Amino acid sequence: DIQLTQSPSSLSASVGDRVTITCRASQSISNYLKWYQQKPGKAPKLLIYATSSLQSGVPSRFSGSGSGTDFTLTISSLQPEDIATYYCQQSYNTPRTFGQGTKVEIK
Amino acid sequence: EVQLVQSGAEVKKPGESLKISCKGSGYNFTNSWIGWVRQMPGKGLEWMGIIYPGDSDTRYSPSFQGQVTFSADKSISTAYLQWSSLRASDTAMYYCARQGYYYDNIDSSPHDAFDLWGQGTMVTVSS
Repeated sequence: DIQLTQSPSSLSASVGDRVTITCRASQSISNYLKWYQQKPGKAPKLLIYATSSLQSGVPSRFSGSGSGTDFTLTISSLQPEDIATYYCQQSYNTPRTFGQGTKVEIK
Repeated sequence: EVQLVQSGAEVKKPGESLKISCKGSGYNFTNSWIGWVRQMPGKGLEWMGIIYPGDSDTRYSPSFQGQVTFSADKSISTAYLQWSSLRASDTAMYYCARQGYYYDNIDSSPHDAFDLWGQGTMVTVSS
């Protein structure tokens, strides 16, 4: 199985800050990487697919980049509604593994 | 409205069987893979596998193979996740999700992603 390691596991930032979350794969996954947002008590929501393509309706302050084994999710200006746990997931092969998650809080 | 609606919370004893459901509406349920994701209390997401309602083709994660069974009834747009003998370690929230396909802007390669999620079914197994 491909292992995905996210860092940090949690972070605290101020409203308006730029936030970056990284996801490292145990082997090359090309650009088969997606990001999900899970707010407390809610189901996950797809944010980004194919590393950098924004899902319809997702605010443009979210962006993704990377290729091969190293990927990032960036929130350009953190908003209170962005409080959530963020997960990366690979679709390079089966099983489609998730990272362990990064919890984002407001300072 | 395009949605997946899951069955309600369950409380079971170890050794009991259980079948939970996920009903799709507002889209062609038959032609989209449905996935199952486990989230144990306070933990992350785990990909359990997927089923294609059109022909019930299934793909299980090795971690869940033999532990659970996926099924689907396309006539009523419903997918199922079942256990024959529950354990306390099965206590978790279980989500179903539709697997959609998206195409890379640069090389048009297909990328799958869970783009529609159910609300989750909490399963508690306790003696």
